Amino acid sequence: DAGVTQSPTHLIKTRGQQVTLRCSPKSGHDTVSWYQQALGQGPQFIFQYYEEEERQRGNFPDRFSGHQFPNYSSELNVNALLLGDSALYLCASSYRDGFYEQYFGPGTRLTVT
Amino acid sequence: GDSVTQMEGPVTLSEEAFLTINCTYTATGYPSLFWYVQYPGEGLQLLLKATKADDKGSNKGFEATYRKETTSFHLEKGSVQVSDSAVYFCALIEGGTSYGKLTFGQGTILTVHP
Repeated sequence: DAGVTQSPTHLIKTRGQQVTLRCSPKSGHDTVSWYQQALGQGPQFIFQYYEEEERQRGNFPDRFSGHQFPNYSSELNVNALLLGDSALYLCASSYRDGFYEQYFGPGTRLTVT
Repeated sequence: GDSVTQMEGPVTLSEEAFLTINCTYTATGYPSLFWYVQYPGEGLQLLLKATKADDKGSNKGFEATYRKETTSFHLEKGSVQVSDSAVYFCALIEGGTSYGKLTFGQGTILTVHP
């Protein structure tokens, strides 16, 4: 049973560019949440997707957007990259609202130069 | 808004020592509480959870008790091993319609020496 997978593993982008990160949820899960983890900090909630719609959003600007596909996989897009966007981006999947347990992927390390 | 505060780190212990990592929270609702662990180069793994007051979560020798009166969820282990070296995060999900939004503490780095 495959767990949560994310791609790519690492990414280096230049300030002002756009980036797309991808996530495949654990088998049987239908909800995907995205988190940003800056170095030495705890993860911060970006948004959650369920039934192909953004259901809840954290305190992130509109430069951060996402999408969920019919197979429940998800993408995180960040436009107009800033140096401060450098972080580990974590995807978590769950069944329905994930109230009791969420499974995390290994993350994508984004470096903005 | 909701918040989680963990004890300042890092924590360095010898093998077989007793571990306590303090965690307190602020929440407007009735939250569920979690401890996640992050091993080097890996994503977060759920270590244990508690969903109501006085519940004790336990796993792999780790324990934490949901204390509503002190808004705390301290992590303990009686005898740590080198393999327990990792970053530990306390987190909560607020009750109600929060749809599983996790709010994390800043993390505590644990290093266990042989």
